[in-house]
Amino acid sequence: EPEVTQTPSHQVTQMGQEVILRCVPISNHLYFYWYRQILGQKVEFLVSFYNNEISEKSEIFDDQFSVERPDGSNFTLKIRSTKLEDSAMYFCASSHRQGMATLGNTIYFGEGSWLTVV
Amino acid sequence: AQTVTQSQPEMSVQEAETVTLSCTYDTSENNYYLFWYKQPPSRQMILVIRQEAYKQQNATENRFSVNFQKAAKSFSLKISDSQLGDTAMYFCAFIPSYNFNKFYFGSGTKLNVKP
Repeated sequence: EPEVTQTPSHQVTQMGQEVILRCVPISNHLYFYWYRQILGQKVEFLVSFYNNEISEKSEIFDDQFSVERPDGSNFTLKIRSTKLEDSAMYFCASSHRQGMATLGNTIYFGEGSWLTVV
Repeated sequence: AQTVTQSQPEMSVQEAETVTLSCTYDTSENNYYLFWYKQPPSRQMILVIRQEAYKQQNATENRFSVNFQKAAKSFSLKISDSQLGDTAMYFCAFIPSYNFNKFYFGSGTKLNVKP
């Protein structure tokens, strides 16, 4: 079973510090996503990424956030200056193609990176 | 705006029994897709089942089946013959057909299967 892997599984950081969350999507996938879940709240969409650029981002994804695919395998989420309210579980996801019409196309999620800002 | 509501924060079921998890959603779209994802203690989000809104027939995957009521905007998950490995957080999710980038998730239902 293919899987999306994320590192670190848990990170504690001081407010104002930069954090990079890493993801290795499934190897033949072309579409990449970040979602987050604040404790006790819903999983929320942050950003989608295709062909080396952001295809869509939510209002949460402000200037302190950035994503990149530096080496063709990793997909990273950077938070430049963390705030207390950035504490959350961050999920990476990937899919082979966009669109649910193709039977079997599935978005695969990673296990999440738990970020605690103190 | 799209919203997904799961009104049961937590449920318990005895092993081998059947349990139904509720989900309602709100959308003005006619074409969309609905999903149930499972998040066990290992944390990985695993697709359990999906339903295309244009299909009237309810989706089934082994012990998992859905009751999709489009007019009522209801999408419940039935787990038959519950197993200890079914213990997990279950999320209902929605994707409109015009935008496959973005899932809308419910708040989740924590299911405990008791021996």
